[in-house]
Amino acid sequence: SQQGEEDPQALSIQEGENATMNCSYKTSINNLQWYRQNSGRGLVHLILIRSNEREKHSGRLRVTLDTSKKSSSLLITASRAADTASYFCATVFLIQGAQKLVFGQGTRLTINP
Amino acid sequence: NAGVTQTPKFQVLKTGQSMTLQCAQDMNHNSMYWYRQDPGMGLRLIYYSASEGTTDKGEVPNGYNVSRLNKREFSLRLESAAPSQTSVYFCASSDLAGGPSNEQFFGPGTRLTVL
Repeated sequence: SQQGEEDPQALSIQEGENATMNCSYKTSINNLQWYRQNSGRGLVHLILIRSNEREKHSGRLRVTLDTSKKSSSLLITASRAADTASYFCATVFLIQGAQKLVFGQGTRLTINP
Repeated sequence: NAGVTQTPKFQVLKTGQSMTLQCAQDMNHNSMYWYRQDPGMGLRLIYYSASEGTTDKGEVPNGYNVSRLNKREFSLRLESAAPSQTSVYFCASSDLAGGPSNEQFFGPGTRLTVL
């Protein structure tokens, strides 16, 4: 399977702390994306990092990519209760113009007030 | 803009019954996708359609068929439902690779139970 692995599977922290989630994958990629899923909802795109990029920022999010180790990390700084959700990394392969996403199993993040 | 819409939201089937899950997008996207999500798991690709008139198998296509009815609509059909197909089904859409955006936009999901 091409599916990546995420670590940890579950993370519980206090509001205001930083949360770090890691993702490893197996094959060469075009880009890697992170998505958030609130309970009972669809996925929402957070950030994309291309294979030739090493770090990217968006608001309180910081994503790193190490293609030599086939790994990525998502850092959420100054966490808020509203950040409670599951977070998924997705490696992206281009096929016939479509973007085939392969998702990890996700990290369930709980922010305690 | 409604984004990606899916119907129905919930469905219960008996083993052997058939049904079609409907998906529509109003973002003029070329590519559309069907995924399933089992408890505690990430999404797995069932079928995708890179552009109108084309469909291709994803990671877990067995037991499913799809139809790209037009640019807006992409349906998923279960011909003879099995308990192993109990899952939450998500439809998504995106621009073609190299277009203005590389993200996929997801619908709210259909929760299907097969008894």
